[in-house]
Amino acid sequence: KQEVTQIPAALSVPEGENLVLNCSFTDSAIYNLQWFRQDPGKGLTSLLLIQSSQREQTSGRLNASLDKSSGRSTLYIAASQPGDSATYLCAAQGGSEKLVFGKGTKLTVNP
Amino acid sequence: NAGVTQTPKFRILKIGQSMTLQCTQDMNHNYMYWYRQDPGMGLKLIYYSVGAGITDKGEVPNGYNVSRSTTEDFPLRLELAAPSQTSVYFCASADGGQGLGNIQYFGAGTRLSVL
Repeated sequence: KQEVTQIPAALSVPEGENLVLNCSFTDSAIYNLQWFRQDPGKGLTSLLLIQSSQREQTSGRLNASLDKSSGRSTLYIAASQPGDSATYLCAAQGGSEKLVFGKGTKLTVNP
Repeated sequence: NAGVTQTPKFRILKIGQSMTLQCTQDMNHNYMYWYRQDPGMGLKLIYYSVGAGITDKGEVPNGYNVSRSTTEDFPLRLELAAPSQTSVYFCASADGGQGLGNIQYFGAGTRLSVL
């Protein structure tokens, strides 16, 4: 059974700092790894999808990497801004089209 | 550009009541999902569907039922509400297939309290 873990559970940084969010998964037989953002009281918004054959994906200040062999993914946020404050969830997709989610990392960027 | 629409946004139920959470998408997606999210937890899959007329159980299906009579709609039914079903419910859809077709698009959620 796939299990996804995110560390840390919460992170507080000053504005402008570069930061890394970690995600680990137990079963390396995945189709893709997805990162989402969730604002308080809102639904999830897809940020990046890394296919199993890829090593990384970039979107603006966000860069996500995937290392299937070690069961790890990282989300790198460059030059963080207060608007980046949210909960970030990673999810691993296996062969049944189902996503298994981590519990998320709550990020606070202080002005 | 409505995307995935969930109704209602909030609901309070008494123990033993029943209700249907509505979900509709206008992106002609084949795949649809229902998740629940408890405080401080990730999302857990309740049911999913890979197309009209096809549904399957997820990780936590007990106490829920679904149907998929059209591509657009995927309602979730609670028959005998219990306090353990107090949660935030999210519906999502995806095109399916390979690559970016696996990106899931989420509704804004339904906040349900069972008292």
